[in-house]
Amino acid sequence: QQQVKQSPQSLIVQKGGISIINCAYENTAFDYFPWYQQFPGKGPALLIAIRPDVSEKKEGRFTISFNKSAKQFSLHIMDSQPGDSATYFCAAGGGTSYGKLTFGQGTILTVHP
Amino acid sequence: SAVISQKPSRDICQRGTSLTIQCQVDSQVTMMFWYRQQPGQSLTLIATANQGSEATYESGFVIDKFPISRPNLTFSTLTVSNMSPEDSSIYLCSVDRVHYGYTFGSGTRLTVV
Repeated sequence: QQQVKQSPQSLIVQKGGISIINCAYENTAFDYFPWYQQFPGKGPALLIAIRPDVSEKKEGRFTISFNKSAKQFSLHIMDSQPGDSATYFCAAGGGTSYGKLTFGQGTILTVHP
Repeated sequence: SAVISQKPSRDICQRGTSLTIQCQVDSQVTMMFWYRQQPGQSLTLIATANQGSEATYESGFVIDKFPISRPNLTFSTLTVSNMSPEDSSIYLCSVDRVHYGYTFGSGTRLTVV
């Protein structure tokens, strides 16, 4: 019930394209859904996060879409750039798991010039 | 966002020895979290450290192997005891900052030989 499933495992996109990464969760008590970006040798950096009271949140080129009934959320990266090449993790937390984040398996994004 | 400093950034250790990892935050926080990221894998929560009380460990992690200290509201240590090659991972501390979300330190890359 604590799992967060992320897909795809890897993604190759051309520069200027849209990158889409999907996550699904099981625990309906989760109320905080962040996305992290991780470069090799670095810790995860918080990109954007959403709570279930909204269906979409946009920050610059990054958008989270949230579907509460389907228990799914996704990250869209518009106008993808080679500098976006990194590993992306979705996570879920909150509710009775306050403070703890359950992470998806990660998606390796490669943006070709 | 919160500034989290971890020391050491990396280390190579002999099996059977112990390593203590330090995490310093630039402001007071109630809860600090320790995660493990095994090579090529996602992040898994080891334990939650509250000041003034014993750490709470997740399933699969025990205090004898990963003792944690939390002497004040800005500092915590994680010790990896009696290390084996299977303990080779990145160890990360994390805090929850109001308005900033859950942020991570840059991690400690541990190699056990």
